[in-house]
Amino acid sequence: EAEVAQSPRYKITEKSQAVAFWCDPISGHATLYWYRQILGQGPELLVQFQDESVVDDSQLPKDRFSAERLKGVDSTLKIQPAELGDSAMYLCASKGGTEETQYFGPGTRLLVL
Amino acid sequence: AQSVTQPDIHITVSEGASLELRCNYSYGATPYLFWYVQSPGQGLQLLLKYFSGDTLVQGIKGFEAEFKRSQSSFNLRKPSVHWSDAAEYFCAVGYPSGSARQLTFGSGTQLTVLP
Repeated sequence: EAEVAQSPRYKITEKSQAVAFWCDPISGHATLYWYRQILGQGPELLVQFQDESVVDDSQLPKDRFSAERLKGVDSTLKIQPAELGDSAMYLCASKGGTEETQYFGPGTRLLVL
Repeated sequence: AQSVTQPDIHITVSEGASLELRCNYSYGATPYLFWYVQSPGQGLQLLLKYFSGDTLVQGIKGFEAEFKRSQSSFNLRKPSVHWSDAAEYFCAVGYPSGSARQLTFGSGTQLTVLP
């Protein structure tokens, strides 16, 4: 069964450092989402891509976060510089065609010290 | 704006007992509704979804949910809980964004299962 891949699974960094997360969606899925999930809360959307274009990044803290999906396939989410409050699980999801269901990857758990 | 409320932060049930997790949504149009489950340190797995038609939907692992438009609710049920059902459960509403949909999630309900 096809799955969304994410790496790394865990990342520990010091504040002010740069971090990057990678996501490979299910093959053929044109829509890709990045979510942030703070412990004890539900996921919150950071950015939505349709192919290589950003559809919505209104919740992305653009002073420190950036996201790209250059060839419309895999995607990278970057934080520079990381802050203590960025400690969270970062989830990637993808959706294909006319299907309404989003499929989630295992996530990257970030700890900023 | 859309929102989802899961009023129960934590529920404890005994193995074999029945389960109902509550979800209320706020959305101006016909909602697309989802229940996801998340095991510790893992991503989210879809349990079931409702888009239209029969208001009682069946999902994986023996779960079902009932859409009640008059109550703006989409409660998740299971007749007999297994120890492996212990996890966090999230209700979500989908709404249009460009050519796709976005999800707004509730804050989740943590389920503990006692032996």
